[in-house]
Amino acid sequence: EAGVAQSPRYKIIEKRQSVAFWCNPISGHATLYWYQQILGQGPKLLIQFQNNGVVDDSQLPKDRFSAERLKGVDSTLKIQPAKLEDSAVYLCASSRQYGQGENTEAFFGQGTRLTVV
Amino acid sequence: QKEVEQDPGPLSVPEGAIVSLNCTYSNSAFQYFMWYRQYSRKGPELLMYTYSSGNKEDGRFTAQVDKSSKYISLFIRDSQPSDSATYLCAMTGTYKYIFGTGTRLKVLA
Repeated sequence: EAGVAQSPRYKIIEKRQSVAFWCNPISGHATLYWYQQILGQGPKLLIQFQNNGVVDDSQLPKDRFSAERLKGVDSTLKIQPAKLEDSAVYLCASSRQYGQGENTEAFFGQGTRLTVV
Repeated sequence: QKEVEQDPGPLSVPEGAIVSLNCTYSNSAFQYFMWYRQYSRKGPELLMYTYSSGNKEDGRFTAQVDKSSKYISLFIRDSQPSDSATYLCAMTGTYKYIFGTGTRLKVLA
């Protein structure tokens, strides 16, 4: 079974520029997550999709971050304009379903390391 | 108070030692508990997934949950240099995973 695919692996941009990240989840996984992981911290949920609907985006800075999952499969996360504090690893994860119990375990991609200078 | 607290380490142990990694939490609604291993420049990899109180064993790894104390542990027996990584605890009560900050472990050969 192929894992969660993310691209690019690394990105360096100047502040105020825009950037987009792409994620393709594990086949058959209805739930997709975007996390932000700042160095030395645990992942923080930015947005969670169930198919192509948003379950939770309470911690997404909506003035600059946007995400979509139009066909309920792959997803893009965009930052516009970027700030220095956005430097982090952006992790995409997927699970068969969300909630409690079996089949809700999240599997992560390798992440995109963003550096804003 | 953070919902999940985890000692960031780093924790250095000799090869073959028993390692104990711990997290405490404050939300009594958490029912499912997970441990992830994260190697440098990689995404987190699911190690263990447990429900409610009790123990679960998988090879050299044992996950323990004590809901009365709001305390979870991951034990690694016969630790190997390849176990050197950051270990993240995560838990959920509804649908949202809450992660600890991670404990950096270094196993010395």
